[in-house]
Amino acid sequence: DGGITQSPKYLFRKEGQNVTLSCEQNLNHDAMYWYRQDPGQGLRLIYYSQIVNDFQKGDIAEGYSVSREKKESFPLTVTSAQKNPTAFYLCASDQGGADTQYFGPGTRLTVL
Amino acid sequence: GENVEQHPSTLSVQEGDSAVIKCTYSDSASNYFPWYKQELGKRPQLIIDIRSNVGEKKDQRIAVTLNKTAKHFSLHITETQPEDSAVYFCAATGFQKLVFGTGTRLLVSP
Repeated sequence: DGGITQSPKYLFRKEGQNVTLSCEQNLNHDAMYWYRQDPGQGLRLIYYSQIVNDFQKGDIAEGYSVSREKKESFPLTVTSAQKNPTAFYLCASDQGGADTQYFGPGTRLTVL
Repeated sequence: GENVEQHPSTLSVQEGDSAVIKCTYSDSASNYFPWYKQELGKRPQLIIDIRSNVGEKKDQRIAVTLNKTAKHFSLHITETQPEDSAVYFCAATGFQKLVFGTGTRLLVSP
């Protein structure tokens, strides 16, 4: 999992602002995922991508957007439509086909 | 789609005791079952996994068992230590993604 990086580690958002979270992997994995984790809660899937230029909504996609222009990168934008975005965001990747997922270190987003 | 249930939500044990966490899944086509450990403020990390063609797998103090007929799998930790205190997540394969359980908070008291 050391091959997955997320930035920034901490992010502060003002009301009405869009912010983008970065996720990069050098594991040559085909699939990438974004999860949201609220305090004391489990992992909720936001978006996932099995291949470049293609992605699917997860369970809580509203208020979020993604792109997958490169195999190694899967940025997540938290839009102003997401009314309660304060959470810990985790990116993960695997070889595809729902195999072993490796997680990045996470980004903690706080709304001011 | 796949649904994974995990029990208990919290588990407190004394150091040296064993701990068992159980998960059930709904999709009989699921063929891969990983377990992750998440320490406070950190990323989940894979600790052990099992595939559907195997009934049990061990790695030192941890083991996982799988019962395909009953569609459940369990994590066993023996000789628990304070550093085992964390949240543990089970998962099962769904369509193009893993489906995670809701997590078990394990507290090991010295």
